[in-house]
Amino acid sequence: AQKITQTQPGMFVQEKEAVTLDCTYDTSDQSYGLFWYKQPSSGEMIFLIYQGSYDEQNATEGRYSLNFQKARKSANLVISASQLGDSAMYFCAMRDNTGGFKTIFGAGTRLFVKA
Amino acid sequence: SAVISQKPSRDICQRGTSLTIQCQVDSQVTMMFWYRQQPGQSLTLIATANQGSEATYESGFVIDKFPISRPNLTFSTLTVSNMSPEDSSIYLCSVAIRGLGTQYFGPGTRLLVL
Repeated sequence: AQKITQTQPGMFVQEKEAVTLDCTYDTSDQSYGLFWYKQPSSGEMIFLIYQGSYDEQNATEGRYSLNFQKARKSANLVISASQLGDSAMYFCAMRDNTGGFKTIFGAGTRLFVKA
Repeated sequence: SAVISQKPSRDICQRGTSLTIQCQVDSQVTMMFWYRQQPGQSLTLIATANQGSEATYESGFVIDKFPISRPNLTFSTLTVSNMSPEDSSIYLCSVAIRGLGTQYFGPGTRLLVL
């Protein structure tokens, strides 16, 4: 069965510093995708970044990068130069890309950016 | 990217009643899903909305409680039937296109059942 684990319920970071949010996963699928979403207090789910299981290079989107370590089954999100607006809930998610195309979510990490 | 709208954005309902939530996408998409986010929790997949056929439900969710329709590639509805306070959640529509590394979410419907 597929599983996503986020072990950090909450994280603090100083403004302008980098922060890493941890995510590990478990799957027997060969083809899968890994996502990170941001959910601010408004409740919307904002797509940040995607990494396919066959992608050899780590995905990057602006200040966001995904540190993909396939052998360790980890997909950590790195946010560089944190901003106050980055304070939000962050969810790691995994999708099976061959079967039902279903996506499951981790428990989330709440990030607090300090001024 | 796909633009997704949901109606209503929020509602307060009495127990025992039903509410139908609509999801409209601005482009044709392969996959449509319905998720539930209970207060302070993560997202849980309710079902995959299949065009022109019955939805595929996840464990713990049944058609009688959460009937879903998807008449075409851009529209779906989720009904929350015979509601109880435990159904108070945010319900989110999500879309994806096979072969593309993206999945988008609608703004959500905040439901409070009294």
